[in-house]
Amino acid sequence: QQPVQSPQAVILREGEDAVINCSSSKALYSVHWYRQKHGEAPVFLMILLKGGEQKGHEKISASFNEKKQQSSLYLTASQLSYSGTYFCGTGPSYGQNFVFGPGTRLSVLP
Amino acid sequence: GAVVSQHPSWVICKSGTSVKIECRSLDFQATTMFWYRQFPKQSLMLMATSNEGSKATYEQGVEKDKFLINHASLTLSTLTVTSAHPEDSSFYICSVRGGGRSYNEQFFGPGTRLTVL
Repeated sequence: QQPVQSPQAVILREGEDAVINCSSSKALYSVHWYRQKHGEAPVFLMILLKGGEQKGHEKISASFNEKKQQSSLYLTASQLSYSGTYFCGTGPSYGQNFVFGPGTRLSVLP
Repeated sequence: GAVVSQHPSWVICKSGTSVKIECRSLDFQATTMFWYRQFPKQSLMLMATSNEGSKATYEQGVEKDKFLINHASLTLSTLTVTSAHPEDSSFYICSVRGGGRSYNEQFFGPGTRLTVL
């Protein structure tokens, strides 16, 4: 079952912050985050595993609450290069195939 | 992470013809590869899981006779769209599941854009 993402789209000014949420009705083992630019393949951002993990890469971080079956992606002081569609992917258990959310379209304006 | 290539990057064909798309894992021996399809402004939808040396596992609703998958070696999987029709026009992306500590990570190829006239 496909996870739910919110919001569907967000427009920011450079330097502003954004939060993208991902939730699932099924128990989760891991959550993955990807960013896709128009016409390109998705690029892996990070993976979070069970245990209430938080990870970060530069000014992009994420949290995973397996009890609530949800994850959030935090973009701090957004840059123009952050524009794209963000997908969360969920794996219900180790080794299970991924299911991607519908995506959140992020546009960062100068 | 694994480096994945796809060929061709784009293809235009006439309705009724067959098209083969190659997915190569350049620096990693991949026992499992995945094939996705993405329509404009939509998410990636898993079509099938390609297993080296065995038959592919298709997702519900995907016609195995139309989308032929061959994973003959640890570095190459091919997807053949047989008797392609305009509704098959899409962005086809393959991915490789990582190994070891990267087992839960996926590494995507650059994608192949198929346009069927």
